[in-house]
Amino acid sequence: GAGVSQSPSNKVTEKGKDVELRCDPISGHTALYWYRQSLGQGLEFLIYFQGNSAPDKSGLPSDRFSAERTGGSVSTLTIQRTQQEDSAVYLCASSSTPYEQYFGPGTRLTVT
Amino acid sequence: AQSVTQLDSHVSVSEGTPVLLRCNYSSSYSPSLFWYVQHPNKGLQLLLKYTSAATLVKGINGFEAEFKKSETSFHLTKPSAHMSDAAEYFCVVSDQDYKLSFGAGTTVTVRA
Repeated sequence: GAGVSQSPSNKVTEKGKDVELRCDPISGHTALYWYRQSLGQGLEFLIYFQGNSAPDKSGLPSDRFSAERTGGSVSTLTIQRTQQEDSAVYLCASSSTPYEQYFGPGTRLTVT
Repeated sequence: AQSVTQLDSHVSVSEGTPVLLRCNYSSSYSPSLFWYVQHPNKGLQLLLKYTSAATLVKGINGFEAEFKKSETSFHLTKPSAHMSDAAEYFCVVSDQDYKLSFGAGTTVTVRA
């Protein structure tokens, strides 16, 4: 079946603009995760959705970052007033069990 | 708190020779441990996982890892490297059921 998909694959934006990144999880997966991979660093947890429970937002780096998940499926990560330090690859993952997260190909965000 | 240290940022091996990627972890609880691989411009793929069952874990593509609690290590090995093994490898720990902490990654190059 289809894996996790993300769009766009690449996004270049000007400093100060807002961006939206989209994630389509694997059908039937109740859990969805967002991570950030900055150059030369490992992955950084951002946010976790599980079913209808309140999301774990503990990894969001600032209040410019927000995410929502509509209908328990598609998720959108929004970054407002982008800064150059937001440049990174943003990865989405989904799972039906906690121990096997399936990752999408990522969105490479470049803030100029 | 949980964290992972990958002891080598880059490993270079000849095709057909063994591969060893070293990982040490820190965890307040009984951890779950994973190795993921990321090929260029591809998403992360789960190689193998340890979740408190057998300490020697076999994964895909001939990789295996051994959990050593006394050494807080989870090194990844493969007896014979193939050109297709060239990629970045991440050691990952979780002492909660969903929050993953990634190491900084080890880049593997395979010489013909």
